[in-house]
Amino acid sequence: DAGVIQSPRHEVTEMGQEVTLRCKPISGHDYLFWYRQTMMRGLELLIYFNNNVPIDDSGMPEDRFSAKMPNASFSTLKIQPSEPRDSAVYFCASSSRLAGRYNEQFFGPGTRLTVL
Amino acid sequence: AQKVTQAQTEISVVEKEDVTLDCVYETRDTTYYLFWYKQPPSGELVFLIRRNSFDEQNEISGRYSWNFQKSTSSFNFTITASQVVDSAVYFCALSSNAGNNRKLIWGLGTSLAVNP
Repeated sequence: DAGVIQSPRHEVTEMGQEVTLRCKPISGHDYLFWYRQTMMRGLELLIYFNNNVPIDDSGMPEDRFSAKMPNASFSTLKIQPSEPRDSAVYFCASSSRLAGRYNEQFFGPGTRLTVL
Repeated sequence: AQKVTQAQTEISVVEKEDVTLDCVYETRDTTYYLFWYKQPPSGELVFLIRRNSFDEQNEISGRYSWNFQKSTSSFNFTITASQVVDSAVYFCALSSNAGNNRKLIWGLGTSLAVNP
C-alpha cells in the first residue's frame, strides 16, 4: 500500500508569496492531520479532518493559514501571504478507526518550507 | 489536562550499549493509548508501537522493548545492543478515547546518538 504522499518535498519562496502544500492520505483512512515541526516549537498540530470535515483547527496560527479537504484523497494547506517565520517542516498524517489501528497516525515524508 | 513528558532531551551511547528512553504521561481518561515514533536524520516520522491502557503487557520486538506501567504512568522504551542506525529522535505520544478526539499529545522527543 502506498503511504501518505506529500508534495512538494521542498519549497523555497519569498516573503509575501502564496504557498500551497498538498497531501494524499492512505486510501481508506478517514482522519487527516496537518502538523508543523520547528526546532523551537517541536511538533505542533495545526488542524485535523474527519471524513473531510475539519474537526479541530485550534492550532492554525493565524488567518494566513487555511486548510481544505475537498475529498477523501486530497488535502491542501495554504499560507497566504507567507512570512519567514513560517519556515518549517510541514507533515501530513492520516489514520483510521479500523480495529487494531485505533489512533495510530501514519506520516508523510514532510514538506520543508523555506520563506526568504 | 493531558501531558507527555520526555525528561531526557539528549542521550549519547556507544554502539552495543542498552539504552532506555523514558516517557511519563498524565491523563484523567480511563481509556487511552500510548505511542512511540521514531524520526531518523532523514526526517520522516515512523510509527513504532501503540499500547492500549487496558493492556499492561510489555512488548518486545527484536532489539526493542516497551515497559508500560500504569502505577507510575510510564511507558518506557528500551533498545538492547544499540546500533548506529538507531540514532534518531524518539517521540512518545498519548491519545484519549474520548468522543471524536483523535489528537495525539506529543512529548518533546529524546534525541539518541549511537556512536560507533
